[in-house]
Amino acid sequence: EPEVTQTPSHQVTQMGQEVILRCVPISNHLYFYWYRQILGQKVEFLVSFYNNEISEKSEIFDDQFSVERPDGSNFTLKIRSTKLEDSAMYFCASSDLGLGTEAFFGQGTRLTVV
Amino acid sequence: KNEVEQSPQNLTAQEGEFITINCSYSVGISALHWLQQHPGGGIVSLFMLSSGKKKHGRLIATINIQEKHSSLHITASHPRDSAVYICAPHPRAGGGADGLTFGKGTHLIIQP
Repeated sequence: EPEVTQTPSHQVTQMGQEVILRCVPISNHLYFYWYRQILGQKVEFLVSFYNNEISEKSEIFDDQFSVERPDGSNFTLKIRSTKLEDSAMYFCASSDLGLGTEAFFGQGTRLTVV
Repeated sequence: KNEVEQSPQNLTAQEGEFITINCSYSVGISALHWLQQHPGGGIVSLFMLSSGKKKHGRLIATINIQEKHSSLHITASHPRDSAVYICAPHPRAGGGADGLTFGKGTHLIIQP
């Protein structure tokens, strides 16, 4: 069964460092998403991406965040200068037709900023 | 902004019991997801529905679009059903961020 794959599963980084979280969406999907979940809190939408551009982003997704689809298979989330409060689980998701269709989630990357 | 309320927040039940988890939301939606999150953190999509009812094994999800309410039922509950169940409405086009809005989740524990 096709699945969304995220790497790494866990990343520890120093405050101020740049991190790149990687996702391989399901191959025929066109819509891609990043969400985050701070420990003990609910999952929050960060950004959606379609046709090689951001289609929507939340207030959380400020200038320190960026997304990219560098090739036909990967979808990345970059955090330029990490802060302690960026520590969270980051989930990638993809769907084939976007709005109102089922999204499939990766297993998440646990980011710890120290 | 879509306000999503789930109830109960925590539920402990005995194996075999019938479980109901409720979700209410405040704005018009195109669809609603029910998700399951296990202690390791991974999220699995259980259902995506936009009307009526769906059934998959022991799980049943219903939605009433007019009342802005959805329920997830588990029949013959089992300890392996222990997880956090999250309701995530998907807003209509033009309704703001086109990502999902998530409820806080219902933490379900099924005791043997």
